[in-house]
Amino acid sequence: EAGVAQSPRYKIIEKRQSVAFWCNPISGHATLYWYQQILGQGPKLLIQFQNNGVVDDSQLPKDRFSAERLKGVDSTLKIQPAKLEDSAVYLCASSLIVAIASPLHFGNGTRLTVT
Amino acid sequence: GENVEQHPSTLSVQEGDSAVIKCTYSDSASNYFPWYKQELGKRPQLIIDIRSNVGEKKDQRIAVTLNKTAKHFSLHITETQPEDSAVYFCAATSNAGKSTFGDGTTLTVKP
Repeated sequence: EAGVAQSPRYKIIEKRQSVAFWCNPISGHATLYWYQQILGQGPKLLIQFQNNGVVDDSQLPKDRFSAERLKGVDSTLKIQPAKLEDSAVYLCASSLIVAIASPLHFGNGTRLTVT
Repeated sequence: GENVEQHPSTLSVQEGDSAVIKCTYSDSASNYFPWYKQELGKRPQLIIDIRSNVGEKKDQRIAVTLNKTAKHFSLHITETQPEDSAVYFCAATSNAGKSTFGDGTTLTVKP
């Protein structure tokens, strides 16, 4: 099966600019996640979707971050305006089973550098 | 919310030795505990997992143990090989599917 697809692979922007990341989950996976992974730390959940509804966005900095999952498939994460501390790898993941917790399948991530 | 602590942050072993990584969690509602391996510049990948109704699970050289009462779980790797060198993350997951990760253990296996 095809894995989780993410683009772009790398992005360099200046602070106060905007940036968008795209994710296509594994076909049939109802749940989609965006994680932020700062160098030397574990992934931190930003937002969790089930189909096209938001399950958890409690750790999403909503003043600058937004995400959507139209039609319950692809998702886009946007940052506007970016800050230096947003430099990180943004990982998209999906999982199959809805009723019980199941393994996450990660994409290769987008490495964002804010200068 | 859930808090996961992982130790040690770095671990160096000789090839053939065993490696043990430990995690503790805070939320007794967490019921699924996966372990992910992340090689440099690559995506995290699941290596083993355990559910709260099981105390131990083994897959070849890798095993995971869970103590629900003490809220801790451990990853055991036996007969380590250089290709085991990577960063290992534990996670505690709620039934809603929210995973909270530890900060990782960098394992180095010296030939």
